[in-house]
Amino acid sequence: GQQVQQSPASLVLQEGENAELQCNFSSTATRLQWFYQRPGGSLVSLLSNPSGTKHTGRLTSTTVTKERRGSLHISSSQITDSGTYLCAMTTNTGKLTFGDGTVLTVKP
Amino acid sequence: AQTIHQWPVAEIKAVGSPLSLGCTIKGKSSPNLYWYWQATGGTLQQLFYSITVGQVESVVQLNLSASRPKDDQFILSTEKLLLSHSGFYLCAWSPENSDYTFGSGTRLLVI
Repeated sequence: GQQVQQSPASLVLQEGENAELQCNFSSTATRLQWFYQRPGGSLVSLLSNPSGTKHTGRLTSTTVTKERRGSLHISSSQITDSGTYLCAMTTNTGKLTFGDGTVLTVKP
Repeated sequence: AQTIHQWPVAEIKAVGSPLSLGCTIKGKSSPNLYWYWQATGGTLQQLFYSITVGQVESVVQLNLSASRPKDDQFILSTEKLLLSHSGFYLCAWSPENSDYTFGSGTRLLVI
């Protein structure tokens, strides 16, 4: 089965609303790393933490390793936040495994 | 600061032709290096990883090969392209058990 599962697959918001993206993983992960994938395909690293909560700007990443889940919260969404958000887990072998992503659309 | 450079940016190649994609890391000695591939609409998959010069491990078999001829260089290649090789190729590096940093990628279309 898929090792990293993201939900929802897609999300449509009005500008200013908050977004909550979920990530569940099946193996023992040492950390979760969240990426934004640009339309051209390149990745921007957003946040990474082995456990607990981390903030940067309007983004908050929470990882609960024991429960094999994590989340990315985007507050006050903006049109420019639209795109694909990828969750990836690192195992103790160092391998990074990606989920299928959440496609976020923010409308004016 | 470390920089990661991939080349070419994009390629259109014929089925059966050879391919060579490159990746160079600057500012970091002995990095762990990785190749990832994403089919259109698909999930990013790790293809190869290398922890030292001359040593490459295959993760997924896609009729591709990889080599690490220098500490800062990682090459992905094949002698005969298939239609299924189309997609987006990303090179990445990481310190041991830490965050990954990705290059800008190469988009490949095989026709």
